[in-house]
Amino acid sequence: EVQLLESGGGLVQPGGSLRLSCVASGFTFSSQGMNWVRQAPGMGLEWVSGISNYPSLGSTYYADSVKGRFTISRDISKATLYLQMNSLRADDTAVYYCAKMSGDAPAWGQGILVTVSS
Amino acid sequence: QSVLTQPPSASGTPGQRVTISCSGSSSNIGSDYVSWYQQLSGTAPKALIYRNNQRPSGVPDRFSGSKSGTSASLAISGLRSEDEADYYCAVWDASLSGWVFGGGTKLSVL
Repeated sequence: EVQLLESGGGLVQPGGSLRLSCVASGFTFSSQGMNWVRQAPGMGLEWVSGISNYPSLGSTYYADSVKGRFTISRDISKATLYLQMNSLRADDTAVYYCAKMSGDAPAWGQGILVTVSS
Repeated sequence: QSVLTQPPSASGTPGQRVTISCSGSSSNIGSDYVSWYQQLSGTAPKALIYRNNQRPSGVPDRFSGSKSGTSASLAISGLRSEDEADYYCAVWDASLSGWVFGGGTKLSVL
């Protein structure tokens, strides 16, 4: 069974930083592209960032709204996906989901809340 | 303004068949696979359809997906009260180099 478990969320002041982690299990992590998707309170889903699988292993992609502030990475040995979030703003407040969106059987984590407020 | 266009709401009575549309362009729906997600209130999105019309294990065959050109549809037959949720379409956009979502459709079971 595919499982994705996010951690690292919480309350942070505007301008601050936070790193989200997502531990994956139940599939071959190294062969799957992975993504972060967020959902602001009462709003729809917004793709944030993605990292590709083989053969373009490690290519990264970002939504314009986070480009230059967020960095996605992965540690294959730990089957863990990361999202380093810097220069956080109030409009980054959202539930952040780790998601396997391509290939067979898409799967999402349960989500982690990030609140940016003074 | 979402890249993919979905109706904001849909409704039906128990047992009915409802469809939800998702309209895009040649750079997204016209060139890649469409997925559909169901989000029950207060929970994480769950995949209902991937690769246009494939159902993950455990998803009832009441749910079906189709695609034609730059549009896609999700059909739900034998509507049940537990189908009341938000539904989103998603696809990779080659021009944007990123995933795009529809704005979501809130389904009410009357």
